[in-house]
Amino acid sequence: QVHLVESGGGVVQPGRSLRLSCTASGLTFSSYAMHWVRQPPGKGLEWVALISYDGVNKFYADSVKGRFTMSRDNSKNILSLQMNSLRTEDTAIYYCARDGTRSFDLWGQGTLVTVSS
Amino acid sequence: SYVLTQPPSVSEAPGQTARIPCAGNIIGTKSVHWYQQKPGQAPVLVVSDESDRPSGIPERFSGSKSGNTATLTISRVEAGDEADYYCQVWDSGSDHYVFGTGTKVTVL
Repeated sequence: QVHLVESGGGVVQPGRSLRLSCTASGLTFSSYAMHWVRQPPGKGLEWVALISYDGVNKFYADSVKGRFTMSRDNSKNILSLQMNSLRTEDTAIYYCARDGTRSFDLWGQGTLVTVSS
Repeated sequence: SYVLTQPPSVSEAPGQTARIPCAGNIIGTKSVHWYQQKPGQAPVLVVSDESDRPSGIPERFSGSKSGNTATLTISRVEAGDEADYYCQVWDSGSDHYVFGTGTKVTVL
């Protein structure tokens, strides 16, 4: 079975940091580019970031550039998202997703991040 | 920034055909992908590259494109098709991925 499992969500105050993880199983993790996509409660989907299969190339949405950093450890099949200077508008379910040639062909179940004082 | 516009809602009776449009500038030059998201669940890719269905997706789901609009068609709509549907493209100009505004499909 192919799975992506996110963890690390929770409640955090504005301006603080949080680190999300995504653990992959059942796939050759190191062969795939990976994404983070988020969804504010009751709203639509927003792409957040992309990392290449080898971790060399990274791209970020304008809304998170300079605050969020994506990384990966191919030896442990783990994808990470370091989120700094969090804002209330960052409140969302965060999904990790596998790249399927410019699409998202496998998704995790998501982890909820709530930024609130 | 690139924008994809979808109607907020589409309703159809069981057995009928539901069509979900996705409008975007020069969308004809881009590969369009479609996702189904049921309440409380993660999205699922149902159509990729306009018309390809991933393994396990029923043939009732199909995609097409004409002019500045892509369309997801759900034939013989069933109660289990009730969900939010999103279109998505990769915008080469910004190297960003863009989702449509989303359409809620209701089976009457």
